[in-house]
Amino acid sequence: ETGVTQTPRHLVMGMTNKKSLKCEQHLGHNAMYWYKQSAKKPLELMFVYSLEERVENNSVPSRFSPECPNSSHLFLHLHTLQPEDSALYLCASSREQGSTEAFFGQGTRLTVV
Amino acid sequence: SQQGEEDPQALSIQEGENATMNCSYKTSINNLQWYRQNSGRGLVHLILIRSNEREKHSGRLRVTLDTSKKSSSLLITASRAADTASYFCATDQTGANNLFFGTGTRLTVIP
Repeated sequence: ETGVTQTPRHLVMGMTNKKSLKCEQHLGHNAMYWYKQSAKKPLELMFVYSLEERVENNSVPSRFSPECPNSSHLFLHLHTLQPEDSALYLCASSREQGSTEAFFGQGTRLTVV
Repeated sequence: SQQGEEDPQALSIQEGENATMNCSYKTSINNLQWYRQNSGRGLVHLILIRSNEREKHSGRLRVTLDTSKKSSSLLITASRAADTASYFCATDQTGANNLFFGTGTRLTVIP
């Protein structure tokens, strides 16, 4: 148990659906991250929030839309996804952006059909 | 690419043996971290070594860092079946302010 909770753990959605992934941490961390993990590829950093402000968007398609309403919660809103977006989506947090240890949630296994 | 690269991609050993995994990277770093991931789960931080450190120990883990060769190794001694997982190195690169992960080494420890 790392202190970072992601829901749902599994999600199957059609290409025309809209869904949201949720991440929550009560560790008092100031930075939160979304990563995408696909088979046999490095973890891809998608978005970074520091003190609730988005500080990085790594060329992620607009069908992925992050939201950070407060320092404890992070969402990833999904709409009109493609089958190649199927992956494990991992949320992480750290005390400060960058150089400190990252705490990961268990991930959401997303399947787009 | 900013990511590190782990070597080997997969490693299978008998319980009780030592496991060594290597990581190479391309840019200057502030620190390098190793993480473990059980199948389909989140990553768990194992150990962090700073750029001015050469070796660090934590329980059965030993990490080395050679900044001149831009490489690190993770040694797990007296392996157990429960050590079966994927292991990733992550670099905190100077000026980038984010962690960059490699593709990982899949370790299987056979009881």
